[in-house]
Amino acid sequence: DGGITQSPKYLFRKEGQNVTLSCEQNLNHDAMYWYRQDPGQGLRLIYYSQIVNDFQKGDIAEGYSVSREKKESFPLTVTSAQKNPTAFYLCASSGQGDNSPLHFGNGTRLTVT
Amino acid sequence: GQNIDQPTEMTATEGAIVQINCTYQTSGFNGLFWYQQHAGEAPTFLSYNVLDGLEEKGRFSSFLSRSKGYSYLLLKELQMKDSASYLCAVMDSNYQLIWGAGTKLIIKP
Repeated sequence: DGGITQSPKYLFRKEGQNVTLSCEQNLNHDAMYWYRQDPGQGLRLIYYSQIVNDFQKGDIAEGYSVSREKKESFPLTVTSAQKNPTAFYLCASSGQGDNSPLHFGNGTRLTVT
Repeated sequence: GQNIDQPTEMTATEGAIVQINCTYQTSGFNGLFWYQQHAGEAPTFLSYNVLDGLEEKGRFSSFLSRSKGYSYLLLKELQMKDSASYLCAVMDSNYQLIWGAGTKLIIKP
């Protein structure tokens, strides 16, 4: 079955360390997204990519970096510059068309202490 | 600024009907989405409205009034598995999604 896989589900890191979250999709979607979800807030867009080798900053890109070397993969690196990295991170993809719904992975819960 | 408002939490009884409201103020409008999210899991797509009126999909229906900046999600014949958060998201004039904080729905037997 097609879908989006995020790994790992839970991740623990010490402050000052960079960490990379994996996102892989086999839906043949061009567009991929990274969101952050915090309690009491709506999803906030970190980065998005509409095509291989191209990506754009979202609303809260500071302290994060991404790459899109393959259509299937869109890893997110949370750097030590991100001031409040502990959160639930969701990766998503979408097909063609402005009204195409997002397909989400099951998320990675990152805890930085 | 852009804003999506939903109630934080609602409680309903198994077998009953519940209406979850969403009001929005955005720069332009290119459609409204509803997603369901169980705790710790991925949001899943429920409905899309771009024209005024009611869209029905089984036990779930979604309504839109663009002139009022208002939508609701109607859930009928509630089941325990409907306990989840329901997220409202509006696509603005730049085709960017603006998300509400979600409504946590608690179903009681």
